[in-house]
Amino acid sequence: NAGVTQTPKFQVLKTGQSMTLQCAQDMNHNSMYWYRQDPGMGLRLIYYSASEGTTDKGEVPNGYNVSRLNKREFSLRLESAAPSQTSVYFCASRAGQGNEQPQHFGDGTRLSIL
Amino acid sequence: SQQGEEDPQALSIQEGENATMNCSYKTSINNLQWYRQNSGRGLVHLILIRSNEREKHSGRLRVTLDTSKKSSSLLITASRAADTASYFCALAGNKLTFGGGTRVLVKP
Repeated sequence: NAGVTQTPKFQVLKTGQSMTLQCAQDMNHNSMYWYRQDPGMGLRLIYYSASEGTTDKGEVPNGYNVSRLNKREFSLRLESAAPSQTSVYFCASRAGQGNEQPQHFGDGTRLSIL
Repeated sequence: SQQGEEDPQALSIQEGENATMNCSYKTSINNLQWYRQNSGRGLVHLILIRSNEREKHSGRLRVTLDTSKKSSSLLITASRAADTASYFCALAGNKLTFGGGTRVLVKP
């Protein structure tokens, strides 16, 4: 059972480069999320998609865009990477919108921007 | 936005001892969840406690919630080396917001 799969696992970019982080889940979940995790700050929500066809901003959306490609896939794009975006990025999914459903996480993408 | 504050930030114990960590928050919640994160991995859901519950158990885990004090605690009993991880509380309101975590080291 794959669960939530994120690619790539590691990436190094130069300032100004663009890239897309991929996320796919095989649990038929409706909701998907992108977080970033910085030392000592826990996880902060970047964007989320409550259902296929919808996306909404989270706490720290500036510098990012997302696409809910279909029910399985939710990608995060950095159009012009900045050193402040160096972080570990986690994708998560949840069965429904109800907040009693647990979130299921991928193992993260470690992104360094030089 | 509201975020849980966890205490302590780090905890080191011997195998077999109990580990207790706390989460405090400031506004109303629907429920509070605890997650574990092993080094280099994603978060894994451990347990959920609703706002109308005071205590919940799951295996060696015990969670309490005191809504009057706006605080929760997670107790891991008879800890094992495999319990070494970071533990996060997550507050469920309109969205799920995570605290900064408690790093737990269980020494064999």
